Amino acid sequence: DAGVIQSPRHEVTEMGQEVTLRCKPISGHDYLFWYRQTMMRGLELLIYFNNNVPIDDSGMPEDRFSAKMPNASFSTLKIQPSEPRDSAVYFCASSGQGSNYGYTFGSGTRLTVV
Amino acid sequence: QKEVEQNSGPLSVPEGAIASLNCTYSDRGSQSFFWYRQYSGKSPELIMFIYSNGDKEDGRFTAQLNKASQYVSLLIRDSQPSDSATYLCAVNTLGDYKLSFGAGTTVTVRA
Repeated sequence: DAGVIQSPRHEVTEMGQEVTLRCKPISGHDYLFWYRQTMMRGLELLIYFNNNVPIDDSGMPEDRFSAKMPNASFSTLKIQPSEPRDSAVYFCASSGQGSNYGYTFGSGTRLTVV
Repeated sequence: QKEVEQNSGPLSVPEGAIASLNCTYSDRGSQSFFWYRQYSGKSPELIMFIYSNGDKEDGRFTAQLNKASQYVSLLIRDSQPSDSATYLCAVNTLGDYKLSFGAGTTVTVRA
């Protein structure tokens, strides 16, 4: 199993630009989570999906953030327009039994907004 | 009040010693407890989970859960330099599938 695959690994963009982060969960996993990690705030849950349906988006910081899961093997997190304070590592994780057996994380996308 | 609290460290232990990491949580409805290890620049990796009060051992790692005290700990026996990492405690609540993470404890094992 290739694990959770995220792309790109690194993204540097200018303030105001649109950024799209991508995630492919582990095949058969029905839960997908987007987290953001910073030194100041640690790991924060942004949104999670069950069977491609968004269940809880209360962690999405602003309307500038949006996430989609058009099918069981693909999800995107979009920031438009991006701001310097969005700079962080964004992790995607998937789980096959909700969180009862923990998550498997992807390698993350390090986003820098200048 | 933060949902999951950990001592940030750093916790420095000599090689071969026991490293003891602590975690407290605020929600009494929490039912599942996880320990993740995160090396610098890498993603979190699940190393242990525990659901019932008491101890659970896996190799050199032992997780301890006390729901009455809302306390979960991780012991690393015979610590090795390769154990140097940040250890994240995570908790989920009954009926909810999202995990809440603590800030992590950074462990350094001195050779």
